[in-house]
Amino acid sequence: EVQLEESGGGLFQPGGFVRLSCVGSGFIFSRYWMSWVRQAPGKGLEWVANIKQDGSDSYYEDSVKGRFTISRDNAKDSVFLQIRSLRAEDTAVYYCARAGFYYDYGAHYYSSWGPGTRVTVSS
Amino acid sequence: SYVLTQPPSVSVAPGETASITCAGDNFGTKNAHWYQQKPGQAPVLVIYYDNDRPSGIPERFSGSNSGKAATLIIIRVEAGDEADYYCQVWDAASNRVVFGGGTKLTVL
Repeated sequence: EVQLEESGGGLFQPGGFVRLSCVGSGFIFSRYWMSWVRQAPGKGLEWVANIKQDGSDSYYEDSVKGRFTISRDNAKDSVFLQIRSLRAEDTAVYYCARAGFYYDYGAHYYSSWGPGTRVTVSS
Repeated sequence: SYVLTQPPSVSVAPGETASITCAGDNFGTKNAHWYQQKPGQAPVLVIYYDNDRPSGIPERFSGSNSGKAATLIIIRVEAGDEADYYCQVWDAASNRVVFGGGTKLTVL
C-alpha cells in the first residue's frame, strides 16, 4: 500500500524558516516525480512545487519562487520543502503528493497524497 | 498563468445526477483530473485523464472533455458524495500543475 507521511509543521514566526518532510513507503520512491500542494484555511488547493526523480530538476509556482526550495533524498525515500522568510499567507496545510505514474517529465496528476502537515505563521 | 474555472457550488438530490464543469483556455490540448476532498481529509483522485477511474472509485463517477471544458459526472448521487471537488490540469510547456477553485457538492 502506498503511503505518504508529512511532518515538520507547527507555529512559526513571520520571517522565520521551516523545513517540511515527507516519507514515502509501499512504492519505489526514486521512480516518481514528487510534489507539494498547499491549502490555506477555507481555500482551495494550490500547487507549490515539483521535483524530478533524481532531484536534478524542480519547478515552482510563481508566487513562491525564491523563498521555497524542494529537495529529495531517495536513500531515505523522502522529499522536503524549505520555506524561508515566512509570511502570514504561507499559513496552510501542506500536502505531499506522488505522481500517478513514473513519467519521464512532469507529475501529470497525483494518485497518492499524505494526510498533510499544518503550518501556521503568526506572531 | 493558466486559470481553471469551476462553479463554487452544485446541489443535487439523492439519486439524481451531479455535473461539475471545469473550463480553461485551449482545454482541448489538456487532460483533466478530478479530486474529491471531504472536510479534514486529504484529496482523493476520482478521475484521471478525463475519464479513467482509479481502482476503488465507484462506476458512478465518470468524466468527459469537450475541448472547451471538462465535466465530472456523478450518477445516482449518495449522501457520502458530499464533498469539495477539484479539477486539475498539467501544463506540459511549463511543467506546472494548476487546480481549479473547487466546487462544493451538496446533497440535499
